[in-house]
Amino acid sequence: GEDVEQSLFLSVREGDSSVINCTYTDSSSTYLYWYKQEPGAGLQLLTYIFSNMDMKQDQRLTVLLNKKDKHLSLRIADTQTGDSAIYFCAEKTSGTYKYIFGTGTRLKVLA
Amino acid sequence: EAGVAQSPRYKIIEKRQSVAFWCNPISGHATLYWYQQILGQGPKLLIQFQNNGVVDDSQLPKDRFSAERLKGVDSTLKIQPAKLEDSAVYLCASGRSGDTQYFGPGTRLTVL
Repeated sequence: GEDVEQSLFLSVREGDSSVINCTYTDSSSTYLYWYKQEPGAGLQLLTYIFSNMDMKQDQRLTVLLNKKDKHLSLRIADTQTGDSAIYFCAEKTSGTYKYIFGTGTRLKVLA
Repeated sequence: EAGVAQSPRYKIIEKRQSVAFWCNPISGHATLYWYQQILGQGPKLLIQFQNNGVVDDSQLPKDRFSAERLKGVDSTLKIQPAKLEDSAVYLCASGRSGDTQYFGPGTRLTVL
């Protein structure tokens, strides 16, 4: 079946790196995504990675994909208070337009 | 480029009443999604349109929920009658090809 799991909370100090982890079960996933949700807002697409890639870097964001272990991570370098939000990973199954979301990780950045 | 628009932003109704939500996707986006996000959970897909046709409505509670996308642009989602457990944020998203999707701000529904 399809399932995406994330840890619920992460707390880091401003300026440190944050690493948010996600595991998924569908081995036929073709795209994996990271979204950010601030209070009272919709989900903002941060970045995504195609399943034939191991890593993708975009400014302060680094996505690592371990397809063998079905593990996805998002590293935020030099974390700022404005990065405090809920982060969702999502997978999209090959041949469909269906996205499966995790339960979200609440990141709290301490000044 | 304007983003996905949704209205209303907030709605409070009593159980057994009806409610409707509206979504205007990003111009040119053929794919439109409605999600339900219960507090503390990730979004759950309710229905997906490709132009004005339904691609997936397997998780839509069809006894009370309905959705349409006339002319392949705007969409409405209706709940009739509402139950307490329908309290959630209803998110609309759109995409050009299905590889990415962009979300609106959502409508927060409270059923009393």
